[in-house]
Amino acid sequence: KAGVTQTPRYLIKTRGQQVTLSCSPISGHRSVSWYQQTPGQGLQFLFEYFSETQRNKGNFPGRFSGRQFSNSRSEMNVSTLELGDSALYLCASSLIGAPGANVLTFGAGSRLTVL
Amino acid sequence: AQSVTQLGSHVSVSEGALVLLRCNYSSSVPPYLFWYVQYPNQGLQLLLKYTTGATLVKGINGFEAEFKKSETSFHLTKPSAHMSDAAEYFCAVSDRTGNQFYFGTGTSLTVIP
Repeated sequence: KAGVTQTPRYLIKTRGQQVTLSCSPISGHRSVSWYQQTPGQGLQFLFEYFSETQRNKGNFPGRFSGRQFSNSRSEMNVSTLELGDSALYLCASSLIGAPGANVLTFGAGSRLTVL
Repeated sequence: AQSVTQLGSHVSVSEGALVLLRCNYSSSVPPYLFWYVQYPNQGLQLLLKYTTGATLVKGINGFEAEFKKSETSFHLTKPSAHMSDAAEYFCAVSDRTGNQFYFGTGTSLTVIP
């Protein structure tokens, strides 16, 4: 069973540009969550999508947006990049409705560097 | 809102020694609890989880954790550290809907040969 796939793995952008990151969840997983990971800040929750609807949103500015497609694949977009957006962006999928707790399965992440 | 506190951002142990990573949570209702491990340049991998039932949970790679409701703790232990255990460890909680997760800031484990 394929895991969570994130593309691209590494990318470099300059301030003011925008970036789109992609996440393909495990087959059958309908929930996709996004996290930003930076040194010292740990994992900061960005948003969570289920059945193409954003159900939860973290405390990030409107420059951060996302969407989910009918096949559960998700994208996140960051516009007008700032130096502080440099981070590892992690996507996680989960099987909603499974007995017990939902478990997040993470991708390897997309490492964004903003120059 | 729930929160997770991991005491000690960096922990060093000698190879073969006991590993103890601390995690405390705040929640009025016992949540679901998780430990994840992250190796360099990789995503997070589930080590173990507590949902209901037995409070001592065994995970992969010889790790285990005990849920103590009275102490609101979920500390991670391993009797004997191995060099391959060097990684970043994250404690996480979710509410009982499982729709939202809260992560601690992580503990970096160094194993000294």
